[in-house]
Amino acid sequence: AQSVTQLGSHVSVSEGALVLLRCNYSSSVPPYLFWYVQYPNQGLQLLLKYTTGATLVKGINGFEAEFKKSETSFHLTKPSAHMSDAAEYFCAVSDRRRGDKLIFGTGTRLQVFP
Amino acid sequence: NAGVTQTPKFQVLKTGQSMTLQCAQDMNHEYMSWYRQDPGMGLRLIHYSVGAGITDQGEVPNGYNVSRSTTEDFPLRLLSAAPSQTSVYFCASSVLPGQAYTEAFFGQGTRLTVV
Repeated sequence: AQSVTQLGSHVSVSEGALVLLRCNYSSSVPPYLFWYVQYPNQGLQLLLKYTTGATLVKGINGFEAEFKKSETSFHLTKPSAHMSDAAEYFCAVSDRRRGDKLIFGTGTRLQVFP
Repeated sequence: NAGVTQTPKFQVLKTGQSMTLQCAQDMNHEYMSWYRQDPGMGLRLIHYSVGAGITDQGEVPNGYNVSRSTTEDFPLRLLSAAPSQTSVYFCASSVLPGQAYTEAFFGQGTRLTVV
């Protein structure tokens, strides 16, 4: 069975600081990996995804994530946080063979202080 | 471009009442699903459908029914609401699983309170 673990339910950074949100996955087959962002009182929006090919993927708003198979990780980073990045971030995995049933982590709420 | 539309946005129910949460998508997606979001628990899959006439249970299906009579619509029914069903509900749609990757598109959510 697939699963996702997000380390840290809350992360706080200062504006301009590095953002690092951690995600580890468990999957018996090559996975699809996703990061979604949820702004207050809104639905989820795809931030970036890893399917095949390059292991460093770039997403919207300056975020990127690196798929590391040896570490079963897919951490999300952004070099310089902006106030508008404050939101909840979800890592998700799905079965590449079947491509269905997104399994989500418990989420990490990012706070950005001026 | 409407995408995935959920109605209502907010709802308060009394224990034991029934109601239907509506979900419609205009992207001709075959795969649709319902999630509930609770603090500290992320999103958990309730039911999903791979096409009209086909539905299946997810991780937390008890107390909920679904049907899929058309490609566009995937309503979620609460048969007898309980306080434990207080949550935010999200509907999502995507292309049929197995076709490349499946990026899910989410509705804006329905915030349900059961008193």
